[in-house]
Amino acid sequence: GAVVSQHPSWVICKSGTSVKIECRSLDFQATTMFWYRQFPKQSLMLMATSNEGSKATYEQGVEKDKFLINHASLTLSTLTVTSAHPEDSSFYICSARDGDRGNTEAFFGQGTRLTVV
Amino acid sequence: AQSVTQLDSQVPVFEEAPVELRCNYSSSVSVYLFWYVQYPNQGLQLLLKYLSGSTLVKGINGFEAEFNKSQTSFHLRKPSVHISDTAEYFCAVSNFGNEKLTFGTGTRLTIIP
Repeated sequence: GAVVSQHPSWVICKSGTSVKIECRSLDFQATTMFWYRQFPKQSLMLMATSNEGSKATYEQGVEKDKFLINHASLTLSTLTVTSAHPEDSSFYICSARDGDRGNTEAFFGQGTRLTVV
Repeated sequence: AQSVTQLDSQVPVFEEAPVELRCNYSSSVSVYLFWYVQYPNQGLQLLLKYLSGSTLVKGINGFEAEFNKSQTSFHLRKPSVHISDTAEYFCAVSNFGNEKLTFGTGTRLTIIP
């Protein structure tokens, strides 16, 4: 199956700093990628849809200035958590669809555990 | 709008016993249905999906699910579980032509030796 690689797998940062998370589709091109946030023992909540070459679409309640998304190429989307605070600590997961497989299956990265201290 | 309900947050099952994880959905339009598995500190892996056709769908690791349109359900089953099946299982739905996935709250399957 298609592979989505997410980096880093975990990161610890100081409050007030920014953290960048990368999501790459390794063997396919993804015009659309998705960013999810997962709190402990809870489900995945869609944060935003990342569109190659255009602005991301954010879900209601997600601060676009706080969570900056850039989708500069067909294989890379980045999520930057700006001025991170302890409440931003969470598990962040990206997913991408392989257009050649049609609009039916999303492949997920391994996730990034962010801890803000 | 669409939603997914997973009725059981935790399901303990003895090894080699059968298991059913329940999932109900709500949508005003036709949907695609998915089951994903998540191991600790990892992303999600697709177990199986229903797009159209036969309502009984077989997936990886011996899992299967049945789509029941009248009951708006998509329950996941396995006839005999193994220790390695211990994980979190998520049911998800997407609408035709819409790439967004809506997830249920997840069911933690714990296999008892």
